[in-house]
Amino acid sequence: AQTVTQSQPEMSVQEAETVTLSCTYDTSESDYYLFWYKQPPSRQMILVIRQEAYKQQNATENRFSVNFQKAAKSFSLKISDSQLGDAAMYFCAYRSGVWETSGSRLTFGEGTQLTVNP
Amino acid sequence: DAGVTQSPTHLIKTRGQQVTLRCSPKSGHDTVSWYQQALGQGPQFIFQYYEEEERQRGNFPDRFSGHQFPNYSSELNVNALLLGDSALYLCASSLDTNQETQYFGPGTRLLVL
Repeated sequence: AQTVTQSQPEMSVQEAETVTLSCTYDTSESDYYLFWYKQPPSRQMILVIRQEAYKQQNATENRFSVNFQKAAKSFSLKISDSQLGDAAMYFCAYRSGVWETSGSRLTFGEGTQLTVNP
Repeated sequence: DAGVTQSPTHLIKTRGQQVTLRCSPKSGHDTVSWYQQALGQGPQFIFQYYEEEERQRGNFPDRFSGHQFPNYSSELNVNALLLGDSALYLCASSLDTNQETQYFGPGTRLLVL
C-alpha cells in the first residue's frame, strides 16, 4: 500500500517570502501522479499543482512549483512571493497510475498548516 | 460552470441513527469519490462510484454504503452512527480517465452526539 508523509505539521512564512513544504511517499509503482491540494478554513479542497511521475520536468503554476525527486520519493512544494491568501492547510496526495485497480483513488498525507505573517 | 456541490453543509445526529449525504459532480464528470476527513487529519478514501456501481472501496465497514444515480449524482449513507463517525465528508468528482484530476466539493460536517 502506498503511504504519504508530511513531516511538518506547521510552517510559517513572512509575506512576500518563499517557503517550501515537504512531502515523501512510499510506493513500489513506477507510474503514478502526485498532487498538492490547499484547504483554507472554508474547507474547500483546492488543487494547487499536479505532477506526473513519468515527466522529469518539475511542474509549475505561477508562484507554485515542485521539486520532484523520483529516486528519493520526495515531492516538495515551493511557494514564492507568499501572500496572505496562501494561508491554509496543504495536503500532499498520491494517485496510482494503475487505473484498472486503483481508479482515481487519492492517498493523502496528514497536512501542513501554513501561516503567512504580514 | 457549477463545481462540485454537497448537501447539507452541516448535520448533527445521535449515536445509532442513520444519515444520508448528497453530492452533485462537476458538470461533465461521471465519477464520484467520497472521503472522510477527521479533525486535524488528511482525508481517507471511502469509495468511488462509476456507472452506478461501486468500483473501489477503502478500509471502511459495511455501515458505509453509497449510490450513484443516472445523472451521476451520488449519496453516501452511514448506518448505526458512532461517535467516531464525526468528521468532514468530502465528495470529489472526475472523468473516468487516467489523466483526470479530482475536484472536491465543500464538504458536509457531520457531528455525532
